[in-house]
Amino acid sequence: GEDVEQSLFLSVREGDSSVINCTYTDSSSTYLYWYKQEPGAGLQLLTYIFSNMDMKQDQRLTVLLNKKDKHLSLRIADTQTGDSAIYFCAETLGGKLIFGQGTELSVKP
Amino acid sequence: DVKVTQSSRYLVKRTGEKVFLECVQDMDHENMFWYRQDPGLGLRLIYFSYDVKMKEKGDIPEGYSVSREKKERFSLILESASTNQTSMYLCASSSGDETQYFGPGTRLLVL
Repeated sequence: GEDVEQSLFLSVREGDSSVINCTYTDSSSTYLYWYKQEPGAGLQLLTYIFSNMDMKQDQRLTVLLNKKDKHLSLRIADTQTGDSAIYFCAETLGGKLIFGQGTELSVKP
Repeated sequence: DVKVTQSSRYLVKRTGEKVFLECVQDMDHENMFWYRQDPGLGLRLIYFSYDVKMKEKGDIPEGYSVSREKKERFSLILESASTNQTSMYLCASSSGDETQYFGPGTRLLVL
């Protein structure tokens, strides 16, 4: 099928690392994306990884891609209360994006 | 910076009304998209357009139509609004590299 799967909720303490996981379906996806949605707002592009890469690091964000298992993860180091949001992974399919259901990250002080 | 704007942040309409949601992007992107977002369902693609006057159905086009008369503007039309169309509507645009940039969303309530 075309389902991109994510767990719905994650709760962490401020200062800890957060890891948000995603499994996707299409091994031919060119790019895989992470978007962030703050309450009441649209989606903000957080980062993306090209399919021929295993890892991408951008400041506190680390994206890991396991193509064999079609598994994508987003690690946020030193998580802050401002990181509380819904995080969506997405894969490309025929010029369109297929989104997961979103993971709601709650950061407790 | 890519800027995608949507005409309204919040909208309240009555059942049976015709509703227009407007989206404008300022980056000369060829591709534009309309999604709706509902709790637990993520984003679902309603319609998209790869060029002026072109439109393609997404996964849930029923009850909606679109218009793209100019490259920068993509309109979503609810011909006769129903309560099950109460949702958050998100517009996005992209160029050739498939990365989509989103507007702030329009939260529509149909009474």
